[in-house]
Amino acid sequence: SQQGEEDPQALSIQEGENATMNCSYKTSINNLQWYRQNSGRGLVHLILIRSNEREKHSGRLRVTLDTSKKSSSLLITASRAADTASYFCATDENSSASKIIFGSGTRLSIRP
Amino acid sequence: GAGVSQSPSNKVTEKGKDVELRCDPISGHTALYWYRQSLGQGLEFLIYFQGNSAPDKSGLPSDRFSAERTGGSVSTLTIQRTQQEDSAVYLCASSSGLFSYNEQFFGPGTRLTVL
Repeated sequence: SQQGEEDPQALSIQEGENATMNCSYKTSINNLQWYRQNSGRGLVHLILIRSNEREKHSGRLRVTLDTSKKSSSLLITASRAADTASYFCATDENSSASKIIFGSGTRLSIRP
Repeated sequence: GAGVSQSPSNKVTEKGKDVELRCDPISGHTALYWYRQSLGQGLEFLIYFQGNSAPDKSGLPSDRFSAERTGGSVSTLTIQRTQQEDSAVYLCASSSGLFSYNEQFFGPGTRLTVL
């Protein structure tokens, strides 16, 4: 079964707008990661947030983590055409810090 | 190497045939992961290796699936008696350590089509 589930499944926004994607998971985690997948570059790691962190920034990316709600959000500010891709959250299971489970992803489309 | 490589990039096979998929991880990476991704879906965890050992095989869909890793480097995923539902992109990833705080580097995948 999926550990992480993203919401929404698909998102279409205008270039320059902000995009927010959410991820919910089921069990306690050590870390949560976000990955991006597009046809040109395959799957690429974006950012990792540890269970004792609440917010993290990397360039135009902002990730939050709420362990009490077992949820995370990824915010992409000032979106660009190149941000068009599928975005996945990936979590471990606290009992098995080695096994990484990916969610079903959010397909983000940026309209020019 | 420069990155994770997988071969073949595409494989078309007939139902009932066996296939072998290969993954060459980044040199020095001790952890290696196999995932399966069906069209438009997320990644399904199959198996991971720490060195040559696979502590968790629970993600393998059936006993037709097996994987091995030799010399702590190259890994092969074998699917016996392929079925149409095995059609998917099989992705391999490696990381410098087994724990979840280590970034996984993904290969381009092998697209398997079972006719």
